[in-house]
Amino acid sequence: QQQVKQSPQSLIVQKGGISIINCAYENTAFDYFPWYQQFPGKGPALLIAIRPDVSEKKEGRFTISFNKSAKQFSLHIMDSQPGDSATYFCAASKGAQKLVFGQGTRLTINP
Amino acid sequence: DSGVTQTPKHLITATGQRVTLRCSPRSGDLSVYWYQQSLDQGLQFLIQYYNGEERAKGNILERFSAQQFPDLHSELNLSSLELGDSALYFCASSEGAGGSNEKLFFGSGTQLSVL
Repeated sequence: QQQVKQSPQSLIVQKGGISIINCAYENTAFDYFPWYQQFPGKGPALLIAIRPDVSEKKEGRFTISFNKSAKQFSLHIMDSQPGDSATYFCAASKGAQKLVFGQGTRLTINP
Repeated sequence: DSGVTQTPKHLITATGQRVTLRCSPRSGDLSVYWYQQSLDQGLQFLIQYYNGEERAKGNILERFSAQQFPDLHSELNLSSLELGDSALYFCASSEGAGGSNEKLFFGSGTQLSVL
């Protein structure tokens, strides 16, 4: 019940395209759903986060869509750029403690 | 730069040994979290300290222990090391006790290799 399943494992998108990464959770007590971006040799960096009382949150080119009934949430990266190439992790938790991370998606943006 | 400092960046040791990983949180942050990242298990929460006290515990082995000092820096002690303990260990910090409006800031990690 603590798992967060993330897909796809890897994704290749052309520059200017839309990157979409999906996550599903099981624990209905989770109330915090962040996305992290990780570059090689660096720690995860918070990209954007959403609470379950809203269905969508947008920050610049990054949007989280949240479907509470389906227990799914996704990250959309609009106008994807080569600098967006990184590993993306979704996570979920009750509060910000004990974040349960997905397995990660390696995103490559081709120029 | 997240403001979270971890030392050392790399650590190579042998099985059965003991090591200490150190973390300095961002200025003003009271919580420190430890996470382990490995290829097979992904990113896993180990333990959280808030203002010197243990706040939450995850999948931390009994061979591992942590503490947070009065100056708020934290140390993760790993003992009787096994090959499977080889991983990237991240420290993160947050302002408060870990409520749902808080943001976690991660350090760059300590890469532990057990030979």
